[in-house]
Amino acid sequence: AQSVTQPDIHITVSEGASLELRCNYSYGATPYLFWYVQSPGQGLQLLLKYFSGDTLVQGIKGFEAEFKRSQSSFNLRKPSVHWSDAAEYFCAVGAAGGTSYGKLTFGQGTILTVHP
Amino acid sequence: KAGVTQTPRYLIKTRGQQVTLSCSPISGHRSVSWYQQTPGQGLQFLFEYFSETQRNKGNFPGRFSGRQFSNSRSEMNVSTLELGDSALYLCASSFGQVGTGELFFGEGSRLTVL
Repeated sequence: AQSVTQPDIHITVSEGASLELRCNYSYGATPYLFWYVQSPGQGLQLLLKYFSGDTLVQGIKGFEAEFKRSQSSFNLRKPSVHWSDAAEYFCAVGAAGGTSYGKLTFGQGTILTVHP
Repeated sequence: KAGVTQTPRYLIKTRGQQVTLSCSPISGHRSVSWYQQTPGQGLQFLFEYFSETQRNKGNFPGRFSGRQFSNSRSEMNVSTLELGDSALYLCASSFGQVGTGELFFGEGSRLTVL
C-alpha cells in the first residue's frame, strides 16, 4: 500500500529565510508526486507535480521540489519565504497507471508559520 | 475558466439525519473525486466517478454514497449521520486519464454534526 510521511508537523521560519519541507513516500511502482497548499477554510491548491523526466520541478509562487528515487523523497523548497506563504502544505502520491482513478494518498501535512 | 464549485459551503446537521453535497467540476473535466478531511485522519479518499460510473472507492462505510450526472456534476450523500462525520468534504475534478492525474480541488463543504 502506498503511504506518505511528512515528518514535520509544524515549521516556523522568518520572512526572507529559506524553506524546506520534507516528504517521504512509499510506493511500489512509478509514482506521481504532488505538493498542495491549503489556507485556513480553503480547498487545496496545487503547487507543483512530478510525473516523469527532470527530477527538479518548478511550481507556482516560487516553489520547487526535487524527486530523489533512491531516498523515496520529494522535498519542497523555497529560497525566500513571504508572509503570505503561511499555510498548511500537503505532499501526495498517486499512481502512474492502473485503476487508482482519482485517488491520491496524502501526508498528514506541515503547518508553516512565518514570522515577520 | 471557472474552478470547481461546491455547495453548500457550510451546513449543520444532527445525528441520524442525512446530507447531500454537490460538486460542479471544471468545464471539460469528466472525473470527480471526493475526499474527507478531518484533524485526526487527515485527507482520505472516498470515491471517484467518471462518465456517471464509480470507478474507484475508498474504505468508507456504505452510508457514504455518490453519483454523477451526465453533465459531470456530482453529488455525495451521507445517511444516518454520526458525530464522527463532521469534516470538510472536498471535491476534485480532472480529465480522468488512467492512473491519478492532476486533481483540481474545490473549497469544500464543511459539515458539522451535532
